Amino acid sequence: DAKTTQPPSMDCAEGRAANLPCNHSTISGNEYVYWYRQIHSQGPQYIIHGLKNNETNEMASLIITEDRKSSTLILPHATLRDTAVYYCIVRVATYGQNFVFGPGTRLSVLP
Amino acid sequence: SAVISQKPSRDICQRGTSLTIQCQVDSQVTMMFWYRQQPGQSLTLIATANQGSEATYESGFVIDKFPISRPNLTFSTLTVSNMSPEDSSIYLCSVESGVGTGELFFGEGSRLTVL
Repeated sequence: DAKTTQPPSMDCAEGRAANLPCNHSTISGNEYVYWYRQIHSQGPQYIIHGLKNNETNEMASLIITEDRKSSTLILPHATLRDTAVYYCIVRVATYGQNFVFGPGTRLSVLP
Repeated sequence: SAVISQKPSRDICQRGTSLTIQCQVDSQVTMMFWYRQQPGQSLTLIATANQGSEATYESGFVIDKFPISRPNLTFSTLTVSNMSPEDSSIYLCSVESGVGTGELFFGEGSRLTVL
């Protein structure tokens, strides 16, 4: 079973920031938080991951609470092409360790 | 990063037949992963394929139904045997970056429809 809880769906206006929450209250000290997204009819795409510090890359920012029990993925300026299912996964960063995908959040970016 | 090619991209199959899906990676990787995504559902790991050893199957998946080959470090096949309509899914091949970050790279998937 997935160790994360995400809202099933969210809407966001084009050009605005999309903030996608994820709860992982049972996360272990050595587990990372990963975010992936799946655009319709494509394979999932890696976005970002982090352990306890906030992270930013060219795609998104990841904010992890101090107790690490929840996190938020931020797409700073959502575009229509960001419409996708977003998956939050917690996992030990050991090569070959399974990724367990939950149902994710279906983000719809509206014009 | 890794570039993963899957064949076929889609197929329509008859009940009772078998289909083999191929996965080619542009670099050598130790582990390759096969996932299934049923219509409207999330991804479920079928098995992990290591080169030179038997694949490791997840609960609910068995070798007789989903035999896997891993002849070298850049290639793997997944066969869906004796298909039924319940096997209609997208089957995805993936590899891990292998540098400790845990990034998974996915192929575009093979969409199977079983009539």
